[in-house]
Amino acid sequence: AQSVTQLDSQVPVFEEAPVELRCNYSSSVSVYLFWYVQYPNQGLQLLLKYLSGSTLVKGINGFEAEFNKSQTSFHLRKPSVHISDTAEYFCAAHSSNTGKLIFGQGTTLQVKP
Amino acid sequence: GAGVSQSPSNKVTEKGKDVELRCDPISGHTALYWYRQSLGQGLEFLIYFQGNSAPDKSGLPSDRFSAERTGGSVSTLTIQRTQQEDSAVYLCASSAGPSGYTGELFFGEGSRLTVL
Repeated sequence: AQSVTQLDSQVPVFEEAPVELRCNYSSSVSVYLFWYVQYPNQGLQLLLKYLSGSTLVKGINGFEAEFNKSQTSFHLRKPSVHISDTAEYFCAAHSSNTGKLIFGQGTTLQVKP
Repeated sequence: GAGVSQSPSNKVTEKGKDVELRCDPISGHTALYWYRQSLGQGLEFLIYFQGNSAPDKSGLPSDRFSAERTGGSVSTLTIQRTQQEDSAVYLCASSAGPSGYTGELFFGEGSRLTVL
């Protein structure tokens, strides 16, 4: 069965520090991978996606993620975070077999001054 | 409309009552998803529509939950005989291509359901 695991429920970090939010997926078929962000009291929006091609994907607001097939991971990184990056981040995997987009449990990024 | 529209934005109901939640997707989007977001939980997949048909209903928590989509557009999620554990934010999303191949789901603001 397809599943997505976000290894950290909360990640506190100081402003201007680097951050990595971890995501692992399991699937017996090829997947497309996504990171979505939910700012406080707002809806979800797409941060970045991996469909094919280069395994390093760049998204909005300076975020990037690397698809690692051998480790079945899709970790999200940013070299220097801002207070405004405080939000809930969701990793998601889509299976072309099922047409279903499955989300992880979410990681709360708390950026402190 | 310009985005995915959900109504009502907030609904407070008494245990045992039925509720209907509505989703109006972006015009022309063929795929429509329903998710449930509970406090401290991730996004729980409920059901997915491609056009008017639902290839995957496996996420519906019980037979009290049902959903339909008509005209390839508006979808309604119905919860019968609501229970307190149904309290959550119900999110609707739509996408342009079949099965999300285009990559992006566009989410509505959600319907917050509180069952007293």
